[in-house]
Amino acid sequence: DAKTTQPNSMESNEEEPVHLPCNHSTISGTDYIHWYRQLPSQGPEYVIHGLTSNVNNRMASLAIAEDRKSSTLILHRATLRDAAVYYCIPNQAGTALIFGKGTTLSVSS
Amino acid sequence: DAGVTQSPTHLIKTRGQQVTLRCSPKSGHDTVSWYQQALGQGPQFIFQYYEEEERQRGNFPDRFSGHQFPNYSSELNVNALLLGDSALYLCASSLVGADYGYTFGSGTRLTVV
Repeated sequence: DAKTTQPNSMESNEEEPVHLPCNHSTISGTDYIHWYRQLPSQGPEYVIHGLTSNVNNRMASLAIAEDRKSSTLILHRATLRDAAVYYCIPNQAGTALIFGKGTTLSVSS
Repeated sequence: DAGVTQSPTHLIKTRGQQVTLRCSPKSGHDTVSWYQQALGQGPQFIFQYYEEEERQRGNFPDRFSGHQFPNYSSELNVNALLLGDSALYLCASSLVGADYGYTFGSGTRLTVV
């Protein structure tokens, strides 16, 4: 499994963009890059995933470096409900997700 | 559309006892994975079931076992409970071959006293 490095914590203000970085230098060529988040007292929630190209959905955008050794999850306008632990997970299709420690995002009003 | 359903939501057991946790996957999903999450830690993968077989296993002792039924629901069994087994147990479901993510339940909080 590819090892990931994420900052332990990050802070943001409401309505501002948030860029959550992740290094995954040992990622294999067939691993997708998944992002999940876990709100307090809930199970993890799928956010977004991609392979090589940048991806957008209603929740966030995912920017993937050209060499795929890093990626950045972008929340365009943070809200208080975005306060959560965010996990970056390289994952081969069909295999289980292996979680690291993630980044705890705090959002202030 | 119901998501992943886990039961019970909370459970208190005594050391040495056995426990069974249950999971119903999201409609249309055929693969179930189980995770253990200690307080302040990320979820740790226990095992994954597909077509009623254990397909992948994490670094957990044989005290942890599971089963998947023909309707894709699953059970997690833990024997000879230890105090360290106290944790939130999460179930996640997915559809094999599908290019979208896993759906997680809200978990079962197990306390071993």
